[in-house]
Amino acid sequence: GQQLNQSPQSMFIQEGEDVSMNCTSSSIFNTWLWYKQDPGEGPVLLIALYKAGELTSNGRLTAQFGITRKDSFLNISASIPSDVGIYFCAGRTDSNYQLIWGAGTKLIIKP
Amino acid sequence: DVKVTQSSRYLVKRTGEKVFLECVQDMDHENMFWYRQDPGLGLRLIYFSYDVKMKEKGDIPEGYSVSREKKERFSLILESASTNQTSMYLCASKRGRSGRLNTEAFFGQGTRLTVV
Repeated sequence: GQQLNQSPQSMFIQEGEDVSMNCTSSSIFNTWLWYKQDPGEGPVLLIALYKAGELTSNGRLTAQFGITRKDSFLNISASIPSDVGIYFCAGRTDSNYQLIWGAGTKLIIKP
Repeated sequence: DVKVTQSSRYLVKRTGEKVFLECVQDMDHENMFWYRQDPGLGLRLIYFSYDVKMKEKGDIPEGYSVSREKKERFSLILESASTNQTSMYLCASKRGRSGRLNTEAFFGQGTRLTVV
């Protein structure tokens, strides 16, 4: 079946540091999405990417749709305490409009 | 703003009980989804519905059923709850079949179910 690998699984960072996480797929995707889940809440869409090579920002967040269409990354600049949570990538192929989800990256900020 | 509301934030049920998880959305979305979330496994699709009275199995439908009698409401049913169904359950809704910004899935706040 289709696989989507998200890394790292968790990150401990200092406030103010930049963060980078990525997802790779065994299949070609036509859509990459990045969601964030705050503790005790449902995921919320951060960034949506629909074109290979596309680079999109949302405040301090920047995500890119890989040129091979098999990967995507999310960067967070100058992290702040409210960035803690779980970040999920999700992708969609041409043949199936259902999303395939990564396992999530848990972001923890060191006190 | 789109609102997806799940009826309970926390539930504790006994093994063998019949459990209903309710989800309501207020944006006239055609598609609704039920996922379960477990640590290290991400979101796994249980069932989805693309229209009233229509349902499709997701990746892990065993032990679950669903009901969609009205467009705004999608119910997940555990016919006989078991301890391995202890999990976070997330409902989502989405407009249309294709993907474009503002048509991607919106999630409810989640229901944390514990089966004892």
